[in-house]
Amino acid sequence: TQLLEQSPQFLSIQEGENLTVYCNSSSVFSSLQWYRQEPGEGPVLLVTVVTGGEVKKLKRLTFQFGDARKDSSLHITAAQPGDTGLYLCSRTGANNLFFGTGTRLTVIP
Amino acid sequence: DAGITQSPRHKVTETGTPVTLRCHQTENHRYMYWYRQDPGHGLRLIHYSYGVKDTDKGEVSDGYSVSRSKTEDFLLTLESATSSQTSVYFCAISDGAGTNSPLHFGNGTRLTVT
Repeated sequence: TQLLEQSPQFLSIQEGENLTVYCNSSSVFSSLQWYRQEPGEGPVLLVTVVTGGEVKKLKRLTFQFGDARKDSSLHITAAQPGDTGLYLCSRTGANNLFFGTGTRLTVIP
Repeated sequence: DAGITQSPRHKVTETGTPVTLRCHQTENHRYMYWYRQDPGHGLRLIHYSYGVKDTDKGEVSDGYSVSRSKTEDFLLTLESATSSQTSVYFCAISDGAGTNSPLHFGNGTRLTVT
């Protein structure tokens, strides 16, 4: 099993606060993807990171890939209610993506 | 979204009955996947297809079969539904396998087995 651990499992914050969620593995990733899933919908890709130490920004979201390519973080600045959802990380297998169990984020207005 | 339609969106069925879920894509992508999503387990791969009539098992394939007779359609069949198969099922597509080939998901089918 390609185990991916995400933390925290649940996070509830006030609008305007900053937050960071994490994705960790004991194995090295060739690449890692972050998805966001809203209730009643399928996950939607946010970003793919490939290079150790890579940082990518998507508006208020900052994604970092660890130097050793075993972990990743997602930082959200000034969270908004529209950021509410389930954040999933995934890593590539031979013909598959393996997913973590996700961080469920609630941003309270 | 992204040209993926799952049907039905909701289904309630009884234990022991066969059930077929359909995934239809308009993107002409080669790869299609069926996942199930359960609390505490995340998304787990059931079966996938890498071309017409080419399929393979995922990590939770027991009790499920698939067929792909056309590029655009990927069917998931529960041969004899059990309560443990109550779940939300997602179809996904991609135009490549492995690295840097993101998945595009449908909006899911919520299946309840009573």
